[in-house]
Amino acid sequence: GENVEQHPSTLSVQEGDSAVIKCTYSDSASNYFPWYKQELGKGPQLIIDIRSNVGEKKDQRIAVTLNKTAKHFSLHITETQPEDSAVYFCAASRDSGAGSYQLTFGKGTKLSVIP
Amino acid sequence: GAGVSQSPSNKVTEKGKDVELRCDPISGHTALYWYRQSLGQGLEFLIYFQGNSAPDKSGLPSDRFSAERTGGSVSTLTIQRTQQEDSAVYLCASSVGVETQYFGPGTRLLVL
Repeated sequence: GENVEQHPSTLSVQEGDSAVIKCTYSDSASNYFPWYKQELGKGPQLIIDIRSNVGEKKDQRIAVTLNKTAKHFSLHITETQPEDSAVYFCAASRDSGAGSYQLTFGKGTKLSVIP
Repeated sequence: GAGVSQSPSNKVTEKGKDVELRCDPISGHTALYWYRQSLGQGLEFLIYFQGNSAPDKSGLPSDRFSAERTGGSVSTLTIQRTQQEDSAVYLCASSVGVETQYFGPGTRLLVL
């Protein structure tokens, strides 16, 4: 089955600096890669996603890049703000064959933005 | 519009008791997923429902776990004879067809 590795597990940055979180996946058939932000006591919130036919996607301060050959994808947050502090999860999915696009998640990165 | 809702938000139970967790997906979403989030294992897939198709139960950890989805909408996850290792946050997500999944706030289960 799919295995997703995520690094680093914790990341501290100064407000205004950039943050980068990296993930690798094992199943070359995976074709959908979402990123979720989870604040304490809440469910994961989708912040950006990318499909395998695209190499990069940007939404304001957030961007995701995908390298299908190397099987890795990254989240980039620029001009970080204290409210960006949260746990971020990467995930990968493909059709399981039963019509399910179950997500396989990385272990998460706890981002702390220091004012 | 309304997001995915789950109830109860917190549940404390004694080892050996049965529990039922409820998920109300976003209206119109045909796909529904259950995941478990625990400290040691991260986020794990449990079960998937899509319309009237047979559910994908490949992620259920044991036969003590079961789920149903009535009328293609509300879903209930049942854990029988709970064990302490069942303590976790149980998350429900829904989507329109495939891919983009929207999560609920979760049910925090503590088995004493």
